[in-house]
Amino acid sequence: DGGITQSPKYLFRKEGQNVTLSCEQNLNHDAMYWYRQDPGQGLRLIYYSQIVNDFQKGDIAEGYSVSREKKESFPLTVTSAQKNPTAFYLCASSFIGGTSQETQYFGPGTRLLVL
Amino acid sequence: AQKVTQAQTEISVVEKEDVTLDCVYETRDTTYYLFWYKQPPSGELVFLIRRNSFDEQNEISGRYSWNFQKSTSSFNFTITASQVVDSAVYFCALSEASFNKFYFGSGTKLNVKP
Repeated sequence: DGGITQSPKYLFRKEGQNVTLSCEQNLNHDAMYWYRQDPGQGLRLIYYSQIVNDFQKGDIAEGYSVSREKKESFPLTVTSAQKNPTAFYLCASSFIGGTSQETQYFGPGTRLLVL
Repeated sequence: AQKVTQAQTEISVVEKEDVTLDCVYETRDTTYYLFWYKQPPSGELVFLIRRNSFDEQNEISGRYSWNFQKSTSSFNFTITASQVVDSAVYFCALSEASFNKFYFGSGTKLNVKP
């Protein structure tokens, strides 16, 4: 089955610790995205990547880092510089077609909690 | 300024009622796409529909229908004969041709009571 997987489902972070959220897709999509969702809020873009070894900051990139070494994978690291990391993190992917973005498809999400 | 506005924060209906979720967008592009997603309590966003700016035909899919009106910059979503399983948060989103990014509304939480 084609799809987007995120792991872990729940992640606990201690103060001052870096943690990495995994996102893998087997849809052969070109672009991948990371969003943050706070309770009762919409989605805010953290980072996105349209091609391997290249990525761009979104609206709230501070305190986060990413890599795109493979087309299928786009891990997100929440660094100790992110002072309020408790949130629901969603990964998405899409083809890039024509002059506009294609539909984004989402993974099941990771809930990050600070101990 | 908000690119996508979903003014209804939360709506509660009784099962079998019809309900319309409003979405108003703002763009200067002539080419753009509009989307609706459903987020059930499990959290994953489920894609429902994609509409391009050149296609103003309304669309119906089972109990779901979408009304796209460029004159009012609106892309409203109606659920007919709502069911408890429709309870979720629904997001409207805009993608502009000139800039490779999605803009999401803040979402409307729909509660369908039995």
